[in-house]
Amino acid sequence: AQTVTQSQPEMSVQEAETVTLSCTYDTSESDYYLFWYKQPPSRQMILVIRQEAYKQQNATENRFSVNFQKAAKSFSLKISDSQLGDAAMYFCAYRSGSTSGTYKYIFGTGTRLKVLA
Amino acid sequence: NAGVTQTPKFRILKIGQSMTLQCTQDMNHNYMYWYRQDPGMGLKLIYYSVGAGITDKGEVPNGYNVSRSTTEDFPLRLELAAPSQTSVYFCASIRGGGASTYNEQFFGPGTRLTVL
Repeated sequence: AQTVTQSQPEMSVQEAETVTLSCTYDTSESDYYLFWYKQPPSRQMILVIRQEAYKQQNATENRFSVNFQKAAKSFSLKISDSQLGDAAMYFCAYRSGSTSGTYKYIFGTGTRLKVLA
Repeated sequence: NAGVTQTPKFRILKIGQSMTLQCTQDMNHNYMYWYRQDPGMGLKLIYYSVGAGITDKGEVPNGYNVSRSTTEDFPLRLELAAPSQTSVYFCASIRGGGASTYNEQFFGPGTRLTVL
């Protein structure tokens, strides 16, 4: 069975600085997808960034980028130029490829990010 | 499109009561999911459905039931509520298949349930 581990329950960053959130996963599959979701106090789950396992290039979305190390099964999220609005819970998630037929997601336990003014 | 909607937003139940959490999506998605999120934790899958008339258990199905009679609706039934079911419940959907290889998961706003 697949597992997702986020070993940092809480992180802090100064406004305008850079922070990296860690995520490791375990799987025997070769076709899968990885995601980072943001959950602000409103509880709404917001997709931040996604990475297809077959792509070697790391995904980037504006100030958010990932460091995807497939062999090490590591998928960290880097937030550059941190803003107060980035404060939230961040969840790493794994999803099997479409051949599994279920599209089930497995979530980590989350990292609470605090942004200090 | 309203996306994924959930009702109610909040509910307090007494031990032993039953209720149904409603979930509706208007995106014609095939796949629908129910998660629970306990305080300070990630989301755990309760049940999911790959299409109308087809449902299956997730990680934590005990104490819950689901049905999927239409593509749009995926209600979650709690029978004999227990304090351990106090949680925030999220419904989500995915289109599935087709050319969209990543198939983004769309979430509802959540239902906060307290069982006393």
